[in-house]
Amino acid sequence: DAKTTQPTSMDCAEGRAANLPCNHSTISGNEYVYWYRQIHSQGPQYIIHGLKNNETNEMASLIITEDRKSSNLILPHATLRVSAVYYCIVRVAGGTSYGKLTFGQGTILTVHP
Amino acid sequence: DTGVSQDPRHKITKRGQNVTFRCDPISEHNRLYWYRQTLGQGPEFLTYFQNEAQLEKSRLLSDRFSAERPKGSFSTLEIQRTEQGDSAMYLCASSSLAAQETQYFGPGTRLLVL
Repeated sequence: DAKTTQPTSMDCAEGRAANLPCNHSTISGNEYVYWYRQIHSQGPQYIIHGLKNNETNEMASLIITEDRKSSNLILPHATLRVSAVYYCIVRVAGGTSYGKLTFGQGTILTVHP
Repeated sequence: DTGVSQDPRHKITKRGQNVTFRCDPISEHNRLYWYRQTLGQGPEFLTYFQNEAQLEKSRLLSDRFSAERPKGSFSTLEIQRTEQGDSAMYLCASSSLAAQETQYFGPGTRLLVL
């Protein structure tokens, strides 16, 4: 699986949008971009994933650049409870590939009042 | 709540004892994964099952570790002769082809070896 690079930490004001970047310059054509977050002492929580089109769900939006070498996770109207470690992961999905997740260090997002 | 449950949530044991953890995946998910997470690090892959078959084991899974999924439903992870270095959070996740193999994690079992 391709390696990802994320900033170590980011801050965001409560009520503002949080924009978390991720670089994955060696991504392959059949690899998806996944985002998970982990609040202290809990299991990772799936947020969103995409292949090449932008995706949106009730939790976040995923913006993938046209060359697929980077992406941004956008959390609209951040609240204090979304302070967590955010992991950007690239993996093959579907078919016969089991696609284990390779976690990096992630980005520690702190939302301030 | 993702639908993946793990038991126990916390375990304290003495060095040299054996421990066993259980994971119950989302019912229709045929793939099950175990990860281990130490303090300050991201989760690391340990092993993977498709139905009852264990198809991949990480080098992290020493001979003291064994995992089973006897009927393709719940899974157990056993650690024999525990060492202090085994102290970690043990996470279970499950997925299905129908859901594009998105992995959903349980709450984890936190192990402390004294």
